Amino acid sequence: GENVEQHPSTLSVQEGDSAVIKCTYSDSASNYFPWYKQELGKRPQLIIDIRSNVGEKKDQRIAVTLNKTAKHFSLHITETQPEDSAVYFCAASRGSGTYKYIFGTGTRLKVLA
Amino acid sequence: KAGVTQTPRYLIKTRGQQVTLSCSPISGHRSVSWYQQTPGQGLQFLFEYFSETQRNKGNFPGRFSGRQFSNSRSEMNVSTLELGDSALYLCASSLNPGQGLREQYFGPGTRLTVT
Repeated sequence: GENVEQHPSTLSVQEGDSAVIKCTYSDSASNYFPWYKQELGKRPQLIIDIRSNVGEKKDQRIAVTLNKTAKHFSLHITETQPEDSAVYFCAASRGSGTYKYIFGTGTRLKVLA
Repeated sequence: KAGVTQTPRYLIKTRGQQVTLSCSPISGHRSVSWYQQTPGQGLQFLFEYFSETQRNKGNFPGRFSGRQFSNSRSEMNVSTLELGDSALYLCASSLNPGQGLREQYFGPGTRLTVT
């Protein structure tokens, strides 16, 4: 069935270091891959996304890479700051007019000052 | 534009009761999806509505149901509540699934506690 695996479940980095979170999806029909950040007690917020026709996308300190052959996609955060501390979720979705997202189980990122 | 709103924000119910949660999407958005968030299972897809029609359904029992109104507002209902239904229920709205616009925006959620 449809499944998204996400690793690691927790990640601690020193402020200024980089953080990488990896996801693997099972549904080869998936073509849209968003990443959400959820701070404690708040709603998930979309931070970056990538479509299957693109291999990499950057937005300031955040980047996402996609390897369709291996069904892997990753979130890269450079120069981490304490405010980056949150739970990050990856997701995969098919096209064809559906918004059904399959989410990974989340990564709790702690940026240590 | 106002964001996605959900009511109520918190709810305490007893086993066996039923509950109705409401979601108002961003103005102009026609698709509403519902997710259940628990510490152990993460975010799990419940169902998706577009133009008052259910487009997709996740792997939840029939006790979970939903509907969408002509103004795109959506409700979900859980009947015969069980302790395991305690969770944060999130709805998310999107503009139009057929226009290549893929982003979903989440509401603040309804925290349901079943005792």
